[in-house]
Amino acid sequence: AQKVTQAQTEISVVEKEDVTLDCVYETRDTTYYLFWYKQPPSGELVFLIRRNSFDEQNEISGRYSWNFQKSTSSFNFTITASQVVDSAVYFCALFTYNTDKLIFGTGTRLQVFP
Amino acid sequence: GAVVSQHPSRVICKSGTSVKIECRSLDFQATTMFWYRQFPKQSLMLMATSNEGSKATYEQGVEKDKFLINHASLTLSTLTVTSAHPEDSSFYICSARDPQGRTSHQPQHFGDGTRLSIL
Repeated sequence: AQKVTQAQTEISVVEKEDVTLDCVYETRDTTYYLFWYKQPPSGELVFLIRRNSFDEQNEISGRYSWNFQKSTSSFNFTITASQVVDSAVYFCALFTYNTDKLIFGTGTRLQVFP
Repeated sequence: GAVVSQHPSRVICKSGTSVKIECRSLDFQATTMFWYRQFPKQSLMLMATSNEGSKATYEQGVEKDKFLINHASLTLSTLTVTSAHPEDSSFYICSARDPQGRTSHQPQHFGDGTRLSIL
């Protein structure tokens, strides 16, 4: 079975703090993709990153960084020096060839206070 | 980039009304589209997969007669919530499969969602 777990329901930080959002996934497939999406209060889904199962290199994009570890089935997302505009719900998602579906985690609501 | 337009963005209507939501791929042909539902403070749950020219495939627990899906062209899929009731109030999001499929950076492109409120 395919499953994505985001254990942190809600996180509150003060601006400029670093924050890490956890994501743990389950799949028996050897080939799969992992994603992070941002959903601001307006509701639309904003694509942040895709990582395939064969690429364990960590990635950094500005204040965002991602740590993919197959050994622990985790794909964590860190925001450095958080800003109020980062306040949103963040979803981790898993895509596998066998299911041909995007499976979303339950999301983590991040609130960044000034 | 691939753009998906969803309309309307918000609907408020009386109980018993049928509501149609449109999902269009603006700059690419989408043979497959997906419909998700999201209740407040919850995740996105796939309702159905819509394939152009054929019947939609519904996920377990989703009522086919309640949520009618039509995918009559390569750029348009519609979701009709028939005889909507307050419990159908939710945020509905569509997505379209990228024409490059599995080799694409994003397998699906999302619309901006429709917030449905049934009074």
